[in-house]
Amino acid sequence: AAGVIQSPRHLIKEKRETATLKCYPIPRHDTVYWYQQGPGQDPQFLISFYEKMQSDKGSIPDRFSAQQFSDYHSELNMSSLELGDSALYFCASSAGTGVREGGYTFGSGTRLTVV
Amino acid sequence: GENVEQHPSTLSVQEGDSAVIKCTYSDSASNYFPWYKQELGKRPQLIIDIRSNVGEKKDQRIAVTLNKTAKHFSLHITETQPEDSAVYFCAASKGRSSASKIIFGSGTRLSIRP
Repeated sequence: AAGVIQSPRHLIKEKRETATLKCYPIPRHDTVYWYQQGPGQDPQFLISFYEKMQSDKGSIPDRFSAQQFSDYHSELNMSSLELGDSALYFCASSAGTGVREGGYTFGSGTRLTVV
Repeated sequence: GENVEQHPSTLSVQEGDSAVIKCTYSDSASNYFPWYKQELGKRPQLIIDIRSNVGEKKDQRIAVTLNKTAKHFSLHITETQPEDSAVYFCAASKGRSSASKIIFGSGTRLSIRP
């Protein structure tokens, strides 16, 4: 079965550069969630989208933005990267906004390293 | 790699009754087990966690038990209320603190019947 696809798997950027992370949900899943997990940290919720509209917002820095496209894939755009942005970023997808069948499927993550 | 299995995928209980969600993990090196609750369209919220040096932990109506030998851990919610309706997922980690990598279960949709 198809899973949540994230790309790239690994990304190395220099400080002040920009990065774009992509997430392709499971077919027919219309909700995407982004999380950031720093070394030794709990995953921190960043933002979620349901039917292409932002549904919830967490600890996402102003330097980051995200959107969900008509095909339900989502992109996380990160600008003016800082060393502290080095983390594992993963997204999850679900059908509906989570309290329906299926629970959540998380992608394998994008490991961003800022040097 | 680490795998966390969670059962059941859906659970419906009468208000006031108890709910139990069970998880198993595969990596015996896992030492931190958080539980998350996620409501409609919202972020997952950590509701309780347990570390491998503890067998049981309780916080008001919520309790978690851990059996390291069997690699099982469970969430118990007593005196369920309508606001307990949500998706719950367990997770396991080998992180020294909360996590360097968290493996989540597939989630349990809990519905509380009035």
